[in-house]
Amino acid sequence: KNQVEQSPQSLIILEGKNCTLQCNYTVSPFSNLRWYKQDTGRGPVSLTIMTFSENTKSNGRYTATLDADTKQSSLHITASQLSDSASYICVVRGYNTDKLIFGTGTRLQVFP
Amino acid sequence: GAGVSQSPSNKVTEKGKDVELRCDPISGHTALYWYRQSLGQGLEFLIYFQGNSAPDKSGLPSDRFSAERTGGSVSTLTIQRTQQEDSAVYLCASSFRDVNGYTFGSGTRLTVV
Repeated sequence: KNQVEQSPQSLIILEGKNCTLQCNYTVSPFSNLRWYKQDTGRGPVSLTIMTFSENTKSNGRYTATLDADTKQSSLHITASQLSDSASYICVVRGYNTDKLIFGTGTRLQVFP
Repeated sequence: GAGVSQSPSNKVTEKGKDVELRCDPISGHTALYWYRQSLGQGLEFLIYFQGNSAPDKSGLPSDRFSAERTGGSVSTLTIQRTQQEDSAVYLCASSFRDVNGYTFGSGTRLTVV
């Protein structure tokens, strides 16, 4: 079982709508959790980073939440745009290690 | 350079051949990581360098895979006797301190035919 599970695996929404992506992890203890956006053919780009003591972090239309007790994080995208079409990857770093554990990602497609 | 540079961007090779993938990290970044992303799969950790040493090689899938880093800068990932299952995008990332995260290169798409 992967230590970082994401859902849904894929998602299709209409432009202008909101959506929420989920990330459940079992990594413990953990240092921080990141959400990355990966456009096709490009490397991942960091959207947000949260430590275990943070509950929410925003970056423009992207808002990430974290519940360290239930080991769940979500990424909420507001007023989606066509350019939001990408894979969104949840990444957890364990405590006192430099190794990152990647989720398998959610593939988001935004249609006009 | 301004970002992490990987070369080549695309590589098609015949099964059984050796390939070398190069990663040029951001100047001054001490940590360097190699990841692999197979079609439809998540990112798979391969190896991590701190300076020129590799404290974590646990992700290398077989002894056909090796990596080195010289001068605390450029790293080379070598795959010997390539197999079709080696086909994937190989991503490199570097960081200085785990404050602003990791910067990824655009990857090398390897296709073994």
